[in-house]
Amino acid sequence: AQSVTQPDIHITVSEGASLELRCNYSYGATPYLFWYVQSPGQGLQLLLKYFSGDTLVQGIKGFEAEFKRSQSSFNLRKPSVHWSDAAEYFCAVGDLTKEAGTALIFGKGTTLSVSS
Amino acid sequence: GAGVSQTPSNKVTEKGKYVELRCDPISGHTALYWYRQSLGQGPEFLIYFQGTGAADDSGLPNDRFFAVRPEGSVSTLKIQRTERGDSAVYLCASSLFPPRGTLSGANVLTFGAGSRLTVL
Repeated sequence: AQSVTQPDIHITVSEGASLELRCNYSYGATPYLFWYVQSPGQGLQLLLKYFSGDTLVQGIKGFEAEFKRSQSSFNLRKPSVHWSDAAEYFCAVGDLTKEAGTALIFGKGTTLSVSS
Repeated sequence: GAGVSQTPSNKVTEKGKYVELRCDPISGHTALYWYRQSLGQGPEFLIYFQGTGAADDSGLPNDRFFAVRPEGSVSTLKIQRTERGDSAVYLCASSLFPPRGTLSGANVLTFGAGSRLTVL
């Protein structure tokens, strides 16, 4: 069965520092991969997605992610973190046991805190 | 509407009561999904609809949970005889539904803000 692992439950980064949030997936073929962000009281907002093609994906708010098949990873990065980036981040994979893979399997999330 | 709308945003109920949670998807989105997010966890799939019919309800935890989408737009998640373990945020999402094998950016899920259910 497909699964997503986010190894870090909580990360604290200084404002202006770089950020990398880890995500590993289990699936034999090329997966559909997503990163969502959730701020308190808000719905999940899509940051970026990977379906095929270029393995470096650019998203909103200055985020990017790189698909590495050899490592089964899709890590999220940002070169300079802003205080407003503090939120919960979820990695997800399209569930291909369901038609068209649009239903998602989520990781448990990583909480990002930003210190001044 | 412009986004996915969920009501109520907060619901407090007593153990054993019946609860309905409503989701109004983005206009024109044929697919609608319900997820449950417990404290400290990622969202977990409950059910999705393609049009009016439930295409996959394999995530519903038991027969106390039921969802409908009678006209292919608004959906209602119904929970009977609520238990304290049902306390969670219930998220709804909608998307355009692609033909098999043609997933694209147009098919990405857009989520609502959720309905927080607390069972006392």
